[in-house]
Amino acid sequence: QSVLTQSPSASGAPGQRVTISCSGSSSNIGSNPVNWYQQLPGTAPKLLIYDNNQRPSGVPDRFSGSKSGTSASLAISGLQSEDEADYYCAAWDDSLNGWVFGGGTKLTVL
Amino acid sequence: EVQLVESGGGLVQPGGSLRLSCAASGFTFSSYAMSWVRQAPGKGLEWVSTISGGGGSTYYADSVKGRFTISRDKSKNTLYLQMNSLRAEDTAVFYCAKRGSGLYVEYWGQGTLVTVSS
Repeated sequence: QSVLTQSPSASGAPGQRVTISCSGSSSNIGSNPVNWYQQLPGTAPKLLIYDNNQRPSGVPDRFSGSKSGTSASLAISGLQSEDEADYYCAAWDDSLNGWVFGGGTKLTVL
Repeated sequence: EVQLVESGGGLVQPGGSLRLSCAASGFTFSSYAMSWVRQAPGKGLEWVSTISGGGGSTYYADSVKGRFTISRDKSKNTLYLQMNSLRAEDTAVFYCAKRGSGLYVEYWGQGTLVTVSS
C-alpha cells in the first residue's frame, strides 16, 4: 500500500492530453514539493517534474505539473507513442522522514 | 556528467547478508544527500534509506530499520548499503539516488538486483 495514491492506469490516443493525479496528506504533499518520475520499461526512473511544476533541462514542455493542497497532477499534452511508460509521483514525508511514492500509473498510448 | 553505478547485488539465502555499493562521479559527492530506493519485481518504487551529505544523519524505512545500514565514504565517492537478515520480501532492484538542490531525487543509477531465495 503506497503512501501516495495514484490511479493504476491511464490512456490516450496520440496527440491527446492526459492527466495523472496523485493524492497525499499534510505530512507529505501538503507540506513539501511534489516530483514526478517517468520509468520506461526495463530502465531506471528519470526525473520529469520537480518542485511541483519545474522541468529539468531536456524534458519537453508537453509535460507539466501542478499542486493544490494535498493533491498534485501531471499533464501530458500532444501524447506520443514514446510517452508510454510508468509514472510515479513522490514527495518527502515529514512524519516518516523519508521519500514516499505513489503506486505508479501505467500510461498506454492507444 | 553525473554517474551512479551500483554493484554488489546477487542471489542470497534468507537470513543472509549482502553489501551494495554505488560509485558516484560527476558531482561533489559530500555536498548531496544520497538514498537507496528499491523496486520489487512488477511493483512500484519504495524508499529504503537516506544519508545526509556529511554522513551524520541517516533515515530508514520501517521495513528495513535494524537490518540495513546506509553509509558513505567521501574518499572513495561511494555510497553503501549493508543488508543483514535478508528476507524473501527484500527481493528487488535497488537503485542508488542523488538528491537535487531541492527536495527531489535528481539522478538514479541503473540498479542492481538482489534476490533472496533458498
